[in-house]
Amino acid sequence: DVKVTQSSRYLVKRTGEKVFLECVQDMDHENMFWYRQDPGLGLRLIYFSYDVKMKEKGDIPEGYSVSREKKERFSLILESASTNQTSMYLCASSSGTATYNSPLHFGNGTRLTVT
Amino acid sequence: QKEVEQNSGPLSVPEGAIASLNCTYSDRGSQSFFWYRQYSGKSPELIMSIYSNGDKEDGRFTAQLNKASQYVSLLIRDSQPSDSATYLCAVSINFGNEKLTFGTGTRLTIIP
Repeated sequence: DVKVTQSSRYLVKRTGEKVFLECVQDMDHENMFWYRQDPGLGLRLIYFSYDVKMKEKGDIPEGYSVSREKKERFSLILESASTNQTSMYLCASSSGTATYNSPLHFGNGTRLTVT
Repeated sequence: QKEVEQNSGPLSVPEGAIASLNCTYSDRGSQSFFWYRQYSGKSPELIMSIYSNGDKEDGRFTAQLNKASQYVSLLIRDSQPSDSATYLCAVSINFGNEKLTFGTGTRLTIIP
């Protein structure tokens, strides 16, 4: 089974702090994604990566950055946390592009609260 | 207009009946369509993918795609209490899974 592991299940940070959310997958997947999920807004793509050291902006990249130094690890960075970044953050991976039946495998999520 | 629209529900269906979930999308170039199930407090999990017009069946689940009308639906036959969850419709303009756009989900409750 594919396993996508997010380092923290719950996180509480203060406004202005730099926050790191870590995600590791164990299936040698090329693609990795960061989404946030908010009530009434659904899942929104923040950043994604097709390969090591590559990154692409999603729909809501403002206030975030990412790092992918190794294939299995994709980090989301909140440069200066703000209260509107309080959310559930979901990491996902998939095995490759143009693959009809390559599903997204999600981690368990990190519920971040910024106070 | 939202890119992927779903009725938020809640949709209540008696056990054993057919649950019908609908999704419309705005981008005519969309190629790949997915249904994810998300239990409360859990992560989404893929239950169906469909790429061509028509029906695709997998056990009790049937996905239906109509590109001309820009809608995709999910039918759940013989609904079980364990089907109670939020169902997310997701659309991609490319084959594969990069840059999925999700709907906000429909909450389904199966009544025993």
